[in-house]
Amino acid sequence: LAKTTQPISMDSYEGQEVNITCSHNNIATNDYITWYQQFPSQGPRFIIQGYKTKVTNEVASLFIPADRKSSTLSLPRVSLSDTAVYYCLVARNTGGFKTIFGAGTRLFVKA
Amino acid sequence: DTAVSQTPKYLVTQMGNDKSIKCEQNLGHDTMYWYKQDSKKFLKIMFSYNNKELIINETVPNRFSPKSPDKAHLNLHINSLELGDSAVYFCASSRTSSSGNTIYFGEGSWLTVV
Repeated sequence: LAKTTQPISMDSYEGQEVNITCSHNNIATNDYITWYQQFPSQGPRFIIQGYKTKVTNEVASLFIPADRKSSTLSLPRVSLSDTAVYYCLVARNTGGFKTIFGAGTRLFVKA
Repeated sequence: DTAVSQTPKYLVTQMGNDKSIKCEQNLGHDTMYWYKQDSKKFLKIMFSYNNKELIINETVPNRFSPKSPDKAHLNLHINSLELGDSAVYFCASSRTSSSGNTIYFGEGSWLTVV
């Protein structure tokens, strides 16, 4: 299983763009990269998923270089409500697959 | 409509008791999970069921026994509760796919053992 490494915490200000990078050096060919967001007292929530290059949705962008050994979650113009823990997850679907969450990155957005 | 619902949300019980947490998903998914999040906020997988079959059983004490009566339900029964079992337990589900998948989590069940 590909282990992920993320910064433990990050601080930002409202309106800034935040980039959180995740390292996954031993990612396998069939692995997808998924990011989740967790607010206090809630379950993790899907943000974005990608396999290679760039993926964008209404919430974030995900940049994946050609070697796929890292990925960067980009949150445009964060607000106070984006304060949460962000998890990078690398997993494949093996029919009941095993998903390992790392420690996550605690993002704190200040006014 | 709640996609993944688990009950109870809060549970305070004494050491040695037996308790159950129920989980139901209405997403039509074929895979369900139980995760444990401890005080340090690490989210660890405990069990995974695919089409009612146990697929993943991490290093979890035998006191924890999952039961999946059908694809939409995965309950967690815990015997002889210990102080160290205090944590948040998340139920989750996903659909088997040839491409990447998305895991949908419930709101969590806060278990406190006193």
